[in-house]
Order: sequence, then C-alpha cells, then structure tokens
Amino acid sequence: RKEVEQDPGPFNVPEGATVAFNCTYSNSASQSFFWYRQDCRKEPKLLMSVYSSGNEDGRFTAQLNRASQYISLLIRDSKLSDSATYLCVVMRGSGNTGKLIFGQGTTLQVKP
Amino acid sequence: EAQVTQNPRYLITVTGKKLTVTCSQNMNHEYMSWYRQDPGLGLRQIYYSMNVEVTDKGDVPEGYKVSRKEKRNFPLILESPSPNQTSLYFCASSLSAPTYGYTFGSGTRLTVV
Repeated sequence: RKEVEQDPGPFNVPEGATVAFNCTYSNSASQSFFWYRQDCRKEPKLLMSVYSSGNEDGRFTAQLNRASQYISLLIRDSKLSDSATYLCVVMRGSGNTGKLIFGQGTTLQVKP
Repeated sequence: EAQVTQNPRYLITVTGKKLTVTCSQNMNHEYMSWYRQDPGLGLRQIYYSMNVEVTDKGDVPEGYKVSRKEKRNFPLILESPSPNQTSLYFCASSLSAPTYGYTFGSGTRLTVV
C-alpha cells in the first residue's frame, strides 16, 4: 500500500463547478500536510498547508480528518486556470529530519 | 528574484558517462533536496541536506551522489548513469525544514540511452 494515495483522475469539470479531491495516508503519526499544484510537468508549487482545524484560501478549502487519515481539497467556482495536477503531500517524521512524501497527484481539467 | 536554479533543463547521455546536475538557491535556505518524478510513482526523494556538509539518503539513493560544500549549491552526481535513471529530476529548498514548504527548481529531464 502506498504511503499517500490519491485518485489520479482526470476530473473533468465545467467552469464554475465545485470539485473535491481526497487523499489518504497510511502513517498515523504524520503531523504535517500540504497540497501542491503542478502544471504540465513543470515544478510543483506549494498551494496550501493543511491544518487540523481546516483552512481556506480564497476559492480553496483544505480539510484534515486524522481519525480517518484523509485530507481533502475543495475548489469552488473552478476557473480554466485551475487545470493542473494537485499533489497531496504528507510529512513523515518531523523537523529538519522529516521527509515530504508525495502522492501521485490528481489531474483536474476545467472545461469552458 | 528568489529562486532555485537547475541546470541543464534537458540532457541526453549514454550509459556509464558521468554527469552532474547543478542546483543553486539564492534564498539562504538551509534545507535542500533532490527528487525524481516518474509516471505512476510520483515524486520520490533521492537525497537531502540539512545544512553545509550534512547530507543523508532519501528513499531512492542508489546510483546517485550529492555534496553540500556551500549553502547555496547542492549538485546531483550520477557516476555511471543507467537507463533506469531516465527521469524528471527536481531540486528543492526550504528555509530550515520541509514543513516550511519547498521551492522547487524548474526540473531537469534526463534521458540515458
């Protein structure tokens, strides 16, 4: 079983739609969680950290469910520019000896 | 501009010919790391460095070497490349630990024939 699992998609949605991605992780001791965005095999870029209480950044909302060991990303009012691959990332360990473990990514295509 | 610079962007080489992929950051970051990205496998960590002269293996270190003689530079060395090292490579840096978020370089697409 992979340490971080995501549905690869693709998710094809019309502009303006709301879309949600889930990600599960296997290490219950994981403490830090993130979503990164990657465009067309370019470098990944940090989208947002995921906090226990949930957090929102504009149209993006991230949630963490420690009991079920999953993380979600909700995108409201999808734009064409949201088309990308979204990487779920979990930190194994902590501090500067911690390692970021990346999921394979979920691909989103927003259509006009 | 704050950035991580990798060179070259594209490289085709032959089996066994030593090569170095350079990585440099201008943000005074302590933590640097190398990843490879392959279809179906995602990003996997090769090596990381917590500071100058401090390096450690990631999850897939076989066939790779690194050095950290200066804070800003973290080159990746393939002493004897093989076709299974054909991949997309990313260098990344972070302020002091991965929890602060990575800044990635633009990537190096390596093909070993």
